[in-house]
Amino acid sequence: GAGVSQSPRYKVAKRGQDVALRCDPISGHVSLFWYQQALGQGPEFLTYFQNEAQLDKSGLPSDRFFAERPEGSVSTLKIQRTQQEDSAVYLCASSSGGTSPLAKNIQYFGAGTRLSVL
Amino acid sequence: KNEVEQSPQNLTAQEGEFITINCSYSVGISALHWLQQHPGGGIVSLFMLSSGKKKHGRLIATINIQEKHSSLHITASHPRDSAVYICAVKYFGNEKLTFGTGTRLTIIP
Repeated sequence: GAGVSQSPRYKVAKRGQDVALRCDPISGHVSLFWYQQALGQGPEFLTYFQNEAQLDKSGLPSDRFFAERPEGSVSTLKIQRTQQEDSAVYLCASSSGGTSPLAKNIQYFGAGTRLSVL
Repeated sequence: KNEVEQSPQNLTAQEGEFITINCSYSVGISALHWLQQHPGGGIVSLFMLSSGKKKHGRLIATINIQEKHSSLHITASHPRDSAVYICAVKYFGNEKLTFGTGTRLTIIP
């Protein structure tokens, strides 16, 4: 596709419910990132994939958060037993990982999924 | 303490004014990004810098590696420039971005 696509755009969940957020990166992009942005704050890193390999998950706040990218393209961020503090915008970004050092550094962002946990 | 500091947090200016937003960071980086975020969440990459200065239209970004400081300038500001501007850095050996808290810019007609 033309850009990074995230779905759903908005998700309302009851506390304790499981949610799954989807990210479709730019076609051919090797690297994929998930970020969490609380209201009024800058985004914070959650996890990073290179192709299907999850190379860094140091930002996942708890074991209720799980991300996968099984075929190296679409990624899903799953949050189990949601809590109110999970309410945030979840941003996905992808980059080409190309041979040019400059090209592989540019991350292209999706519009985000706004999660509200009631 | 956030490793990436931005100032000011909020900025309101009249249309046509010259705008400067500052970003400082604490350790060496491989690249610095300036991003724009409009209400609704979408983030657009404006610049990626590793040294010097870049210009795109009315936007200018500079970086001083020795002083660990970058500035984003907007000339002849316009109400459509109203957005949150975010500075983000990439550290050597690390693919993730570390973000500042953003500067909310409001341009009044």
